[in-house]
Order: sequence, then structure tokens, then C-alpha cells
Amino acid sequence: AQKVTQAQTEISVVEKEDVTLDCVYETRDTTYYLFWYKQPPSGELVFLIRRNSFDEQNEISGRYSWNFQKSTSSFNFTITASQVVDSAVYFCALRTLYSGGGADGLTFGKGTHLIIQP
Amino acid sequence: GAGVSQSPRYKVAKRGQDVALRCDPISGHVSLFWYQQALGQGPEFLTYFQNEAQLDKSGLPSDRFFAERPEGSVSTLKIQRTQQEDSAVYLCASSLGLGGNTEAFFGQGTRLTVV
Repeated sequence: AQKVTQAQTEISVVEKEDVTLDCVYETRDTTYYLFWYKQPPSGELVFLIRRNSFDEQNEISGRYSWNFQKSTSSFNFTITASQVVDSAVYFCALRTLYSGGGADGLTFGKGTHLIIQP
Repeated sequence: GAGVSQSPRYKVAKRGQDVALRCDPISGHVSLFWYQQALGQGPEFLTYFQNEAQLDKSGLPSDRFFAERPEGSVSTLKIQRTQQEDSAVYLCASSLGLGGNTEAFFGQGTRLTVV
């Protein structure tokens, strides 16, 4: 069975603070993919990043950075110098491969509601 | 179109009524997924199509839920005899490839309220 845990239900910070969103996953598969999505009030899920299980390099994209650690089954997301526009619900998700090589559905965490106060 | 389009955006149904939710994926995308998102929760997988073939329907909560993609493009999720617990946002996603490494693009969803 697969599981994604986002222990932080809601985080509220003041603009310009750094904030880290935690994600812990469980899977028995050795090949898997991890994702982060942003869901603004409009409802559409916006893709942020994909990481495969064989690539543990951390990634930075502007104010966003991701820390993937297989040893702790974690894939944390940090926003540096947060802005009001970052306010949204953020989801961590996991996908494994079918044994036949097809694409399986994503398993999502329950999401972290991030509030950036001006 | 430029993105995944879902219609209607909002649907209010009386308990017992049948509803049909439509998804127009990005042109050329092979894979299509349906998810159900209850209030305050993460999306939960319902079903997956590869072209017109429904390869996985393990997430459909009951036999009242039915999905189809007859020509491998537009998909319809049908819910028969709606119940209050069916109230949720139904999200559709599509991706170009078949592998787990491909990015899924989501629509804005259909918010279904059963009264």
C-alpha cells in the first residue's frame, strides 16, 4: 500500500519568512515518483516538481527548493522569502509504476494550507 | 485547447438524480485520470484510461459510478442515483505519456453538491 503524510494541516507565516512544508511517504516499490502540486482558491492543481526515486539531488527553482531524502522517506518543500501570492494548499503526491509499465494514479497527501500574511 | 477543460464547473443535484461530468483533456494526451476531492482532503484516485481503454477503475467507490472515454479523447464520469456523500470536487487530469514519469495536467474540477 502507498501512503503520503503531510502532518502540517495549516501553516501561517508573515510575508518574507521562509517556510518548509513536510512530506513523508510510504511505498514498497523501489521505483516511484514524487510530486508537489499547488492548489490556489481557483481549484486547479498546478504542477511544481517531479522527482524520481533514483535522483536524490536537491533542486532549487527561484524561491522554491526541494529536499528529497530516501533514508527518511521524506520530500520536503521550502519557500524562501514567502509572498502573499504563495498562499494556497500544497499537496505532496506519490506515483509508482504498474508492473506492466503503465502509469498509475497519484496518491496524494491531505495537503498543507499555507497562509502568507502581509 | 490549451489546458484540461471540465464542465460544468458547478452542479447541484437532488438526491437520487443522475449526473454526468465531462472532461476534455489536452489534445494528444494518451492518459486520462479522474479524482475525487472531498472538502479539506487531498484528491483520491478514481479511474484511469489509456486512450479508450479503462485500465484501472479500482478507485470507483461504488457501482453507481461509471466512466467512459469511447474515442480516446473526451471522457465522461457518470454518477447514478446520487447520494449526499458523493458531494465533492471531481478533478480530471491528462498526461502525454504512459509512464509514471510524465506530468499530469489537471482541470479546474466540477464541484458537485447533492442536496
